[in-house]
Amino acid sequence: NAGVTQTPKFQVLKTGQSMTLQCAQDMNHNSMYWYRQDPGMGLRLIYYSASEGTTDKGEVPNGYNVSRLNKREFSLRLESAAPSQTSVYFCASSATGNGYTFGSGTRLTVV
Amino acid sequence: GEDVEQSLFLSVREGDSSVINCTYTDSSSTYLYWYKQEPGAGLQLLTYIFSNMDMKQDQRLTVLLNKKDKHLSLRIADTQTGDSAIYFCAERFGNYGGSQGNLIFGKGTKLSVKP
Repeated sequence: NAGVTQTPKFQVLKTGQSMTLQCAQDMNHNSMYWYRQDPGMGLRLIYYSASEGTTDKGEVPNGYNVSRLNKREFSLRLESAAPSQTSVYFCASSATGNGYTFGSGTRLTVV
Repeated sequence: GEDVEQSLFLSVREGDSSVINCTYTDSSSTYLYWYKQEPGAGLQLLTYIFSNMDMKQDQRLTVLLNKKDKHLSLRIADTQTGDSAIYFCAERFGNYGGSQGNLIFGKGTKLSVKP
């Protein structure tokens, strides 16, 4: 019963480096999401994918790209990391009309 | 635009009831949710209520919905130290983007339970 699995759990990057955050779900959910969580800001939607083959921007997409590789996997890429992207990143998935299931998060620090 | 408001902090004594309040703006919301986040963990779905309901009870949890005032509350009876966490209110609205509506989250209420 894995649910939503995110890797890595922790990462430290230097400014300008790139990396990809991985997310996979085993619940056959259609929709997947990437959020960032910052103190005092709550959860902010970066990108989402309503179904396999589609992706759309959320509230704070700048500096990020996503790929919905297949129904199970939805990755988030930082092409050139900036200190402002230091945050906790959560992936979530949902079946149509239901609540979200969240992963345990990736704690990213950009120095 | 759509917005969900919550107070940021709540402190109660063990054994007391906790009431966490939330207001939302979108009258077309279909479902409203409560999530719990423990330190260092992801968000866990606690309960939800459909917009045509006034109340839902699930063991120690009671959700009240006042649709006229767009007010949602979560009551935790007999609050325990293990209930200390951040609680997020979220609304699902419309049919945005073909995903049957995205969730909009409040900033979360940090519940502290004192022994």
